[in-house]
Amino acid sequence: SYELTQPPSVSVSPGQTASITCSGHKLGDKYASWYQQKPGQSPVLVIYQDTKRPSGIPERFSGSNSGNTATLTISGTQAMDEADYYCQAWDSFGGGTKLTVL
Amino acid sequence: QVQLVQSGAEVKKPGSSVKVSCKASGGTFNSYAFSWVRQAPGQGLEWMGGIIPNFGTANYAQKFQGRVTITADESTSTAYMELSSLRSEDTAVYYCARGITGTIGADAFDIWGQGTMVTVSS
Repeated sequence: SYELTQPPSVSVSPGQTASITCSGHKLGDKYASWYQQKPGQSPVLVIYQDTKRPSGIPERFSGSNSGNTATLTISGTQAMDEADYYCQAWDSFGGGTKLTVL
Repeated sequence: QVQLVQSGAEVKKPGSSVKVSCKASGGTFNSYAFSWVRQAPGQGLEWMGGIIPNFGTANYAQKFQGRVTITADESTSTAYMELSSLRSEDTAVYYCARGITGTIGADAFDIWGQGTMVTVSS
């Protein structure tokens, strides 16, 4: 299967910008999606087809995908954004990144 | 608003099978693809396979080929996932999820069920 690599953890201060990367061979040739998961809850789609936000997802969530790397960017990070984030492409998920808002 | 409601937690013996259901309510069932994704305790997400009820045929991740069967009943708007030859490593939360584009194996999932905990233990 297709391998996707994410950093295990990212820390950010409230109000700052958080960037979470996802690396895979020629990932830019595929569509990337991103999910947010809080403890004990089901995942929530926050970005699909590289840059699209589902209805109800705040504008501070954005995505990009080029070359071998897809990036989820959270602008003006809030305490409520603290969660695990997973990238996905084709039938594969990344290992997840724990976002801590300090 | 579409909701996916899954069946309850299961405890199974090694070597047995489990069948989890996922009932869709509040929207169209047949024209979407539904996948199953599992998550072992403290681990990441893993796609198992999916089905488009309109077409009836399922696609499976290579890892689960021969051990998983995904079906759908259009009359009750319910998808099913059956996993056989259970082992302790299959202990996980199993989610059903609706695909946005209908391309099984290359889809994004916009609606998720609440998850079903399956514990495999002797």
